[in-house]
Amino acid sequence: NAGVTQTPKFRVLKTGQSMTLLCAQDMNHEYMYWYRQDPGMGLRLIHYSVGEGTTAKGEVPDGYNVSRLKKQNFLLGLESAAPSQTSVYFCASSYSSGAAGMNTEAFFGQGTRLTVV
Amino acid sequence: QKEVEQDPGPLSVPEGAIVSLNCTYSNSAFQYFMWYRQYSRKGPELLMYTYSSGNKEDGRFTAQVDKSSKYISLFIRDSQPSDSATYLCAMNQAGTALIFGKGTTLSVSS
Repeated sequence: NAGVTQTPKFRVLKTGQSMTLLCAQDMNHEYMYWYRQDPGMGLRLIHYSVGEGTTAKGEVPDGYNVSRLKKQNFLLGLESAAPSQTSVYFCASSYSSGAAGMNTEAFFGQGTRLTVV
Repeated sequence: QKEVEQDPGPLSVPEGAIVSLNCTYSNSAFQYFMWYRQYSRKGPELLMYTYSSGNKEDGRFTAQVDKSSKYISLFIRDSQPSDSATYLCAMNQAGTALIFGKGTTLSVSS
């Protein structure tokens, strides 16, 4: 059982370049999330999705776009990378963040280390 | 004020010590409270999960939630060097994404 898989694991971009980070989960989870983690800032939510074809903005959405065309995949795009987007990006998925008593445990991928120079 | 506050540490303790990690929060609607453990260069993994108020124990770990004070704690008994990691509190209400604290870095020396 692979869980949550992120591709790529490492990437170096030049300012202005674009790229897409791919997240795939094999647990049939409804909810998927993209977070970024920076020193001293913790995990900050970029965008999330509550189901196929739906996305919503999180705490720090500017400069990023997402798509959830298939239930198992959640893509994070950077249209024009900036040095401020240098970070470790984590994808996560969960069954729901819903009804009382339901397990809302989020399973995380291993992260993508992105450097923008 | 950030929704979830957590002292980043670092916290250094000797092996065998009792460790107390804490978070405060401002949103009284939060219902689900979690503690994640993150080893260096790895993704976070769930350690403890609590719904609403109360205590939960799992081996050497105890999670406490005091909703009246908007305060949650994680206690680690008989701490081991393998407990050295960053501990993140996380919480949410129904239908919303998890909000994380900044994480507390713990180092347990043998």
